[in-house]
Amino acid sequence: TQLLEQSPQFLSIQEGENLTVYCNSSSVFSSLQWYRQEPGEGPVLLVTVVTGGEVKKLKRLTFQFGDARKDSSLHITAAQPGDTGLYLCAETGNQFYFGTGTSLTVIP
Amino acid sequence: NAGVTQTPKFQVLKTGQSMTLQCAQDMNHEYMSWYRQDPGMGLRLIHYSVGAGITDQGEVPNGYNVSRSTTEDFPLRLLSAAPSQTSVYFCASSYDQTGGIYEQYFGPGTRLTVT
Repeated sequence: TQLLEQSPQFLSIQEGENLTVYCNSSSVFSSLQWYRQEPGEGPVLLVTVVTGGEVKKLKRLTFQFGDARKDSSLHITAAQPGDTGLYLCAETGNQFYFGTGTSLTVIP
Repeated sequence: NAGVTQTPKFQVLKTGQSMTLQCAQDMNHEYMSWYRQDPGMGLRLIHYSVGAGITDQGEVPNGYNVSRSTTEDFPLRLLSAAPSQTSVYFCASSYDQTGGIYEQYFGPGTRLTVT
């Protein structure tokens, strides 16, 4: 079983601040996905990263895959209240293994 | 497209009762899966299916059964509910985005309480 650790577990910031959340594994990822989940809803896929060192941008969100493919980060620039939610990383493959998530609250 | 639908949205069971959580998708995806989500535990895979007639166990399969008679439907059965099965259940369907990388679409979830 793949162990995915996410940090921090909880994060509360003011609107306009920047933040970074992390996803680390005990072994090499084949590929990794980031999801956002809003209260009372299912997760929604944000991005898939495959290649070590890969960087992908989605508006104010920047996703980075570590060179060794054992870690990933999600950076949000100028956070907005609409960014509030649970951010989950997941290793993809025949089965998906999810991290425990980072719960983000952006205060207006 | 309705995407992935789940029923019911909420359910309360007594210990020992059985029930079926329904999941349907209209995207013609081959791959479907069931997860449970508990506080501080993330999403854990219960069972999954790579196509009609094919199912396999995930990380936490005990106490649950599944079947996949059609591409569209993937019901999850609780045979004898236990308080440890109190959780939020999510169904997802996926397709092969590129070379074995699957993009998952999740349903809205079923919140189950077992007393």
